[in-house]
Amino acid sequence: KQEVTQIPAALSVPEGENLVLNCSFTDSAIYNLQWFRQDPGKGLTSLLLIQSSQREQTSGRLNASLDKSSGRSTLYIAASQPGDSATYLCAVNTGNQFYFGTGTSLTVIP
Amino acid sequence: DTAVSQTPKYLVTQMGNDKSIKCEQNLGHDTMYWYKQDSKKFLKIMFSYNNKELIINETVPNRFSPKSPDKAHLNLHINSLELGDSAVYFCASSLPGTTYGYTFGSGTRLTVV
Repeated sequence: KQEVTQIPAALSVPEGENLVLNCSFTDSAIYNLQWFRQDPGKGLTSLLLIQSSQREQTSGRLNASLDKSSGRSTLYIAASQPGDSATYLCAVNTGNQFYFGTGTSLTVIP
Repeated sequence: DTAVSQTPKYLVTQMGNDKSIKCEQNLGHDTMYWYKQDSKKFLKIMFSYNNKELIINETVPNRFSPKSPDKAHLNLHINSLELGDSAVYFCASSLPGTTYGYTFGSGTRLTVV
């Protein structure tokens, strides 16, 4: 069974800093991986979807990388802003469902 | 607006009651899901429907019954609610196949008292 782990569980950084969130998964037989953002009391907003054949995807200040063989993905956030404060979730698609990690709670301090 | 919409957003009810949560998507997706997010924020799939047909039924008490009248709707009915059912329930949808991501609804926060 697929297990998805996100480290660290919580992260606090000063505004302007570049940061990396980590996601690891136990079964490399995935079709794609999706990064989400969840604000307190809100739903999940999709940030990036990266296919298993891709190495990375970029959207604005966000860059997601995928190393399927080693079971790892990273989400890089450049020049962090207080508005980036949220919980970030990664999810891996095994073909019939997404398995979610437990999330990284990010706080960007002004 | 194209979206996945859930109603109600908040639901407070007493133990033993029966309640339903509705989900509708206007994205033209064929597959819909129900996920449960527990108090530790962990998301776990409950059900998956593809074009009104049940695809995934995880280990969920049979008090939970999904109903899909058409491929744009997936409702969740819960009988005899228990305290442990308190959680946030998310509906999601996607296109069929393995290359697409999910679009989530904004969630329904269920509190059983």
